[in-house]
Amino acid sequence: AQTVTQSQPEMSVQEAETVTLSCTYDTSENNYYLFWYKQPPSRQMILVIRQEAYKQQNATENRFSVNFQKAAKSFSLKISDSQLGDTAMYFCAFRPYYGGSQGNLIFGKGTKLSVKP
Amino acid sequence: DAGITQSPRHKVTETGTPVTLRCHQTENHRYMYWYRQDPGHGLRLIHYSYGVKDTDKGEVSDGYSVSRSKTEDFLLTLESATSSQTSVYFCAIGTLQGNYGYTFGSGTRLTVV
Repeated sequence: AQTVTQSQPEMSVQEAETVTLSCTYDTSENNYYLFWYKQPPSRQMILVIRQEAYKQQNATENRFSVNFQKAAKSFSLKISDSQLGDTAMYFCAFRPYYGGSQGNLIFGKGTKLSVKP
Repeated sequence: DAGITQSPRHKVTETGTPVTLRCHQTENHRYMYWYRQDPGHGLRLIHYSYGVKDTDKGEVSDGYSVSRSKTEDFLLTLESATSSQTSVYFCAIGTLQGNYGYTFGSGTRLTVV
């Protein structure tokens, strides 16, 4: 069974600094996608960034970037120049890719990030 | 946002009563999902659907049933609500194209008293 582990239940960072959220996963699949979702107090689930396992290049979206280590099954999220609006719960998620069929999205338990002024 | 709505947004119900949550999409996606979110557990899959009248169980399906009579609607029913089903419920639609991710509804906070 595939599992996703986020080892940091809570983290805090000062505004304008950089923070890294950790995520590891376990799977025997070779093809899959990895995601980071953000859930602010509004409860809405917002896709932050995604990574295809077959791509070696790490994904980047503005201030958000990932460090994808396929052999180590690690997928960390780095937030640069943290802003107060980054305060949220962050979920790491894994979805296997089976070509024409679907694999379900599996979530970690989340990391609560607080950005302090 | 992406054409997925959940209703109601909040609900309080009594133990033992039936409850139905509704998810409606306008994206014509084949795959739809119901998750529950609880502190310390993240989001866990309850049931999912891969087409009209095609559904399957997820990780935490006990006490829940689903129905999908139309592509756009996916209903989650608690036949006899219990306090352990107090949670936030999310519906999602998934795609095998584009970013391969899910789009989520805004969630339903259900309290069973």
